[in-house]
Amino acid sequence: GESVGLHLPTLSVQEGDNSIINCAYSNSASDYFIWYKQESGKGPQFIIDIRSNMDKRQGQRVTVLLNKTVKHLSLQIAATQPGDSAVYFCAENGGATNKLIFGTGTLLAVQP
Amino acid sequence: GAGVSQSPSNKVTEKGKDVELRCDPISGHTALYWYRQSLGQGLEFLIYFQGNSAPDKSGLPSDRFSAERTGGSVSTLTIQRTQQEDSAVYLCASSQGQGAYEQYFGPGTRLTVT
Repeated sequence: GESVGLHLPTLSVQEGDNSIINCAYSNSASDYFIWYKQESGKGPQFIIDIRSNMDKRQGQRVTVLLNKTVKHLSLQIAATQPGDSAVYFCAENGGATNKLIFGTGTLLAVQP
Repeated sequence: GAGVSQSPSNKVTEKGKDVELRCDPISGHTALYWYRQSLGQGLEFLIYFQGNSAPDKSGLPSDRFSAERTGGSVSTLTIQRTQQEDSAVYLCASSQGQGAYEQYFGPGTRLTVT
């Protein structure tokens, strides 16, 4: 069935280092991907998205990379800060649908 | 502008009771979604409303769960005869609708069934 999974359930980084959170997806029909950040006790918050006609998109301190050949998505956070500590979810749209299919999440822990 | 709001923020109920959870989406958003998130887990899709179309109920775990959306805006998720395994955070999200995938989430309702 459709699934989106993450390679690393927990990622611990030092403040100031770069973070890379990885995600694998299985639905070849997916043409939209999105990353969310969820802090404790809050709803998920949009970080960055990318469509399948791109392989890289940059935001403020974040970059999303899409490799359609191996169905892999990654989120790079530059100069990670304590405020980046949260659970990060990737999601795909599974093709022509308005539903998002979420991965299980990666906990990013930033050590001071 | 106002984001997605949900109420109550916390709900404690006894096993067997019915509960209603409310979601107010962003004004003008035609799509509304309900998810369930158990502790330390990902988001489990429950139901999706798009405009006046029939809702996609494919994620509802049992017939004890139902949802409605009145006037294309506010939505209520109802859980009848609650069970302890229903304890979770229930998240609502809205989006602009067809072709707009970015969903905006509310803060969630934490449901505890004792």
